[in-house]
Amino acid sequence: EVQLVESGGGLIQPGGSLRLSCAASGFNVITSYMSWVRQAPGKGLEWVSVIYNSGNVYYGDSVRGRFTISRDKSKNTLYLQMDSLRAEDTAVYYCARDTSAAGYFDTWGQGTLVTVSS
Amino acid sequence: SYVVTQPPSVSVAPGKTARITCGGNNIGAIGVHWYQQKPGQAPVLVIYNDRDRPSGIPERISGSNSGNTATLTISRVEAEDEADYYCQVWDTDSDHQGVFGGGTKLTVL
Repeated sequence: EVQLVESGGGLIQPGGSLRLSCAASGFNVITSYMSWVRQAPGKGLEWVSVIYNSGNVYYGDSVRGRFTISRDKSKNTLYLQMDSLRAEDTAVYYCARDTSAAGYFDTWGQGTLVTVSS
Repeated sequence: SYVVTQPPSVSVAPGKTARITCGGNNIGAIGVHWYQQKPGQAPVLVIYNDRDRPSGIPERISGSNSGNTATLTISRVEAEDEADYYCQVWDTDSDHQGVFGGGTKLTVL
């Protein structure tokens, strides 16, 4: 069964750092297009970042230069390193898989909540 | 970057047809995807590539895309269809970015 399980969320002060993990099962993250999508409380979905199977990475304008997406083949896990966190980064963060590399997300994790507050 | 626009809310009586639009400049030229999200749950893909349905999605849910508007159509609306719906495209012109619409709250009266 294809499954994604996020972890690593929590309460962090502004300016701090946090690393989110997304453990995959049933497929290999290294051969998939994998994205992070977030949702602020009561708000809509916002795409954050993608890593292609080639290793190419791209970021949304609001996080570029502060967040870094990566993956670990041996652990079959996707990561999101978040630095210089701001209050507006408060959100549920989902990892999502684009199985066919066609730009849509057919598999989602359950999400992990990140709260940036002093 | 590319912008897609959705109405904040749509209301429909049970058994009727709901149509949720997603507007964008020449959106008919790119693939549009739709997600359903219920409170406290992760989004679920309901339509991809304008009109294709993943397995398990009822035939009552369909999609179309032409010109500057993509449309998600839900026929014979049921109470369980009440949810937030998001359209999404992949913008590769300016940069490789996912772009979501602001979401539409579907209320079943």
